Amino acid sequence: GQNIDQPTEMTATEGAIVQINCTYQTSGFNGLFWYQQHAGEAPTFLSYNVLDGLEEKGRFSSFLSRSKGYSYLLLKELQMKDSASYLCAVRDGATNKLIFGTGTLLAVQP
Amino acid sequence: DAEITQSPRHKITETGRQVTLACHQTWNHNNMFWYRQDLGHGLRLIHYSYGVHDTNKGEVSDGYSVSRSNTEDLPLTLESAASSQTSVYFCASSESLTRNEQFFGPGTRLTVL
Repeated sequence: GQNIDQPTEMTATEGAIVQINCTYQTSGFNGLFWYQQHAGEAPTFLSYNVLDGLEEKGRFSSFLSRSKGYSYLLLKELQMKDSASYLCAVRDGATNKLIFGTGTLLAVQP
Repeated sequence: DAEITQSPRHKITETGRQVTLACHQTWNHNNMFWYRQDLGHGLRLIHYSYGVHDTNKGEVSDGYSVSRSNTEDLPLTLESAASSQTSVYFCASSESLTRNEQFFGPGTRLTVL
């Protein structure tokens, strides 16, 4: 079967670091995406991992371990505007379709 | 600038009516997708297309249809709207299936009364 798990909600403090985890079980694997979605808006692309390891892009980094079916999104120097939902999505290796988790709602507090 | 647009942005309709949601992209992407987003379910794929005249069913396709007559547009039709189809609908497109990310439109909030 196909299953993606993320925490439903997280809270963090402005200026701090937060790690959002994602675990997945899919019939095939061809890459993992992280999207950011502010309330009432469209998801926007943050990062893509297809090989094991860390991808860094400014304040945001994403890590992948294919053997463990695990990824995390690391947000540094949190800002109030980072309050949003963060969606983990896996590309199924057989169909190339994206399978989305239910998202993690991050609240950044002053 | 190239973009992806959806219309209408908000729609209220009655049970049993036919509704069509428009999606238009100017990136010349071959791949286009329709998702619905509901609390507790995340984004679920309704239909998708890999090119003109190609359409495929996603995981929640019952009650929906699409057609692809050109590269730019993938309209989504609800043949007979049901209250269970009240949702936010997102259209997306991508250049490549195997590498590139999907770009999402702004969404259409549909309410079926």
